[in-house]
Amino acid sequence: NAGVTQTPKFQVLKTGQSMTLQCAQDMNHEYMSWYRQDPGMGLRLIHYSVGAGITDQGEVPNGYNVSRSTTEDFPLRLLSAAPSQTSVYFCASSYSGGTYEQYFGPGTRLTVT
Amino acid sequence: SQKIEQNSEALNIQEGKTATLTCNYTNYSPAYLQWYRQDPGRGPVFLLLIRENEKEKRKERLKVTFDTTLKQSLFHITASQPADSATYLCALDRRDRGSYIPTFGRGTSLIVHP
Repeated sequence: NAGVTQTPKFQVLKTGQSMTLQCAQDMNHEYMSWYRQDPGMGLRLIHYSVGAGITDQGEVPNGYNVSRSTTEDFPLRLLSAAPSQTSVYFCASSYSGGTYEQYFGPGTRLTVT
Repeated sequence: SQKIEQNSEALNIQEGKTATLTCNYTNYSPAYLQWYRQDPGRGPVFLLLIRENEKEKRKERLKVTFDTTLKQSLFHITASQPADSATYLCALDRRDRGSYIPTFGRGTSLIVHP
């Protein structure tokens, strides 16, 4: 099992550009989520999904879109990048939300100039 | 509002001693509490999960307690080693429209000195 994979590992964007962060898992997990981690702020939930076709907003959803067309994939789209979106992004999956252990990907370090 | 508090100051201890990290919460009634380890530049890794009806859970040198009256969890690492140096995060489940959503504290850095 590859677990949770994320691409790219690093990305630099200019303000206003758009991009998609990819996340995939091969554990047949229903629950997937995206977090951003900033110094001193901890992990903050952006969006989550409890199954294919179902997504919902987390704590800091503004400026981000998600979709879940398959169980395996949960891409995060930045519509128009802003310097405030400079952060490290983690994707996670689990059998079912907070009642089971979360498996995290290696992260994507994004810089917006 | 719901709040999870972990000590923002790093915990420095000597090798061989027991490290104790604290996770306090307010305005929550979590059914589950989890602890994770995070090394620099990597994603968090799951360590232990404890349910509200469990007072204590152990795994090798790790022990977690969960006191729903005090609204506190303690995470212990016995016989600590320099390799235990990392940031440790606690996470509580937040009930949201039928789903349990894990919400993380900011983490406490542990530094074990040889």
